[in-house]
Amino acid sequence: ETGVTQTPRHLVMGMTNKKSLKCEQHLGHNAMYWYKQSAKKPLELMFVYSLEERVENNSVPSRFSPECPNSSHLFLHLHTLQPEDSALYLCASSPDASGRIETQYFGPGTRLLVL
Amino acid sequence: GQSLEQPSEVTAVEGAIVQINCTYQTSGFYGLSWYQQHDGGAPTFLSYNALDGLEETGRFSSFLSRSDSYGYLLLQELQMKDSASYFCALFTGSNYQLIWGAGTKLIIKP
Repeated sequence: ETGVTQTPRHLVMGMTNKKSLKCEQHLGHNAMYWYKQSAKKPLELMFVYSLEERVENNSVPSRFSPECPNSSHLFLHLHTLQPEDSALYLCASSPDASGRIETQYFGPGTRLLVL
Repeated sequence: GQSLEQPSEVTAVEGAIVQINCTYQTSGFYGLSWYQQHDGGAPTFLSYNALDGLEETGRFSSFLSRSDSYGYLLLQELQMKDSASYFCALFTGSNYQLIWGAGTKLIIKP
């Protein structure tokens, strides 16, 4: 247990569906992240929130929409996804709100399959 | 550009020692981290090198050489549970961003 939980763990959706991924951190951290992990590729940073404000959006398609209602919760809203969006979506948190990252704490991920 | 290179797969024998290398191209950075990820699991933090040299944590050690643009993770007394993927990541100082390697799958044989 890393102190970061994600639900659901597995998700299958059609291209016309709308779904949301949820992340919760119990560590009192100030920054939260969404990553996309595809096989044999480096982790791709999608979004970063620090103190509940979005600080980074790495050219992610608008069919992915993040939401951070408070410092412990992070959502990723999905709509009209494409099959190439199938991947493992990881949530992470880090203690520092200054932008320095020495350690990140990851959730177990949501395995997403888009049909 | 900035990039990290790791071998895609390494095989070793239980009880042995294995070294996983990470070479990088970047103009400057603050530190190099290592993460372990078991199949179906979350990446977990192993170590962080801000300075050149060796950092030891139990059976795992991590090394950084800025002059040679590389680092490595050393795993000693390998156990079957060490079978996992290992990722190196650079913190460059850009706001909240880490540069990640593609990961090395470590296969351990009895």
